[in-house]
Amino acid sequence: EDQVTQSPEALRLQEGESSSLNCSYTVSGLRGLFWYRQDPGKGPEFLFTLYSAGEEKEKERLKATLTKKESFLHITAPKPEDSATYLCALTQTSYDKVIFGPGTSLSVIP
Amino acid sequence: GAGVSQTPSNKVTEKGKYVELRCDPISGHTALYWYRQSLGQGPEFLIYFQGTGAADDSGLPNDRFFAVRPEGSVSTLKIQRTERGDSAVYLCASSTGPGREQYFGPGTRLTVT
Repeated sequence: EDQVTQSPEALRLQEGESSSLNCSYTVSGLRGLFWYRQDPGKGPEFLFTLYSAGEEKEKERLKATLTKKESFLHITAPKPEDSATYLCALTQTSYDKVIFGPGTSLSVIP
Repeated sequence: GAGVSQTPSNKVTEKGKYVELRCDPISGHTALYWYRQSLGQGPEFLIYFQGTGAADDSGLPNDRFFAVRPEGSVSTLKIQRTERGDSAVYLCASSTGPGREQYFGPGTRLTVT
């Protein structure tokens, strides 16, 4: 069964303390892996798409990487405004539905 | 530019009633998705439209749930005989095509009393 898991469930960082969030997946044929950010009371906001192992994308303090079994979202020198829930999602080659992971809730303390 | 909009933002209904939730996607986006999100969980896929047709409705939990997109733009999610377990935030997203990044609306919070 296709599955997406994320760890940790929650992460608390001091401002400036770099860390990584993990997204592990099992799928028979990956079409694309997505990272989204979700603030309380809002819909998810698109961050990155990764299509093949070895691919990397960067945006400001965030960098996403992909291997054949997992993806990492690296956060460098985070700021309080980076506090949010980060969601990983994927699409598979043989169907169009999107499977989301449960998310990692990130809190960055000033 | 205009993003994805959803109405109403909040809906409170009594158990057994019928509700309709509306989604207005980004202009020109052919793909439209509905999700349901419970507190502390990721969005759960319900249905995907490509144009006017439901390309994948495998996530609809039962036959009380139905969605339409008659003109390939606005979509309506319809829930009959609502149950307390249907309480959740219903999210809509649109994209330029399957497998592409999605743009989400703010969601409709449905509460069934």
